[in-house]
Amino acid sequence: EPEVTQTPSHQVTQMGQEVILRCVPISNHLYFYWYRQILGQKVEFLVSFYNNEISEKSEIFDDQFSVERPDGSNFTLKIRSTKLEDSAMYFCASSESGTSGFQETQYFGPGTRLLVL
Amino acid sequence: RKEVEQDPGPFNVPEGATVAFNCTYSNSASQSFFWYRQDCRKEPKLLMSVYSSGNEDGRFTAQLNRASQYISLLIRDSKLSDSATYLCVVNLPYVRGSQGNLIFGKGTKLSVKP
Repeated sequence: EPEVTQTPSHQVTQMGQEVILRCVPISNHLYFYWYRQILGQKVEFLVSFYNNEISEKSEIFDDQFSVERPDGSNFTLKIRSTKLEDSAMYFCASSESGTSGFQETQYFGPGTRLLVL
Repeated sequence: RKEVEQDPGPFNVPEGATVAFNCTYSNSASQSFFWYRQDCRKEPKLLMSVYSSGNEDGRFTAQLNRASQYISLLIRDSKLSDSATYLCVVNLPYVRGSQGNLIFGKGTKLSVKP
């Protein structure tokens, strides 16, 4: 069964450093998402991406965040200057389509646990 | 006002018990509804979509009441492997080309004991 993959599984970084989280969505999917989950809290939407551009972003997704699809398979989330409060699990998700089916399923990757010291 | 609100839990039940989870959502224009399960430190995994007429998948039954903006999940004959956190998830309305991003409840933890 196809699945979303993410690397690395864990990342420890110093405050102020840049990190890049990588995701490989399911191959025939066209819509990509990043979510985050701070320990003990709910999963929160960050950004959605389609046709090589951001479709929507939440208030969490400020100028420190960026996303990119550098090639045909990878989808990345970059945090330019990490803060302590960026420590969280970051989940990538993908869906086959986003506009036709209201019940479109989003499939989640296993996540990257980011710890900012 | 919380967008998706769930029973705080945790629920501790014996094997074989029936357990019900409840959820309310605030945006009346929401169009898609799901239950996901999340094991400790793992990703959310789709358990089932929730349809207006209600739907069943084996031991799991989901109900939707749009008038009350209420979603439920019933697990019958619970198994040890059902132990997880159950997340109520709502898809925002499709507007202005939006893909309709998922809004998660905080989840209700279920622990099934032998």
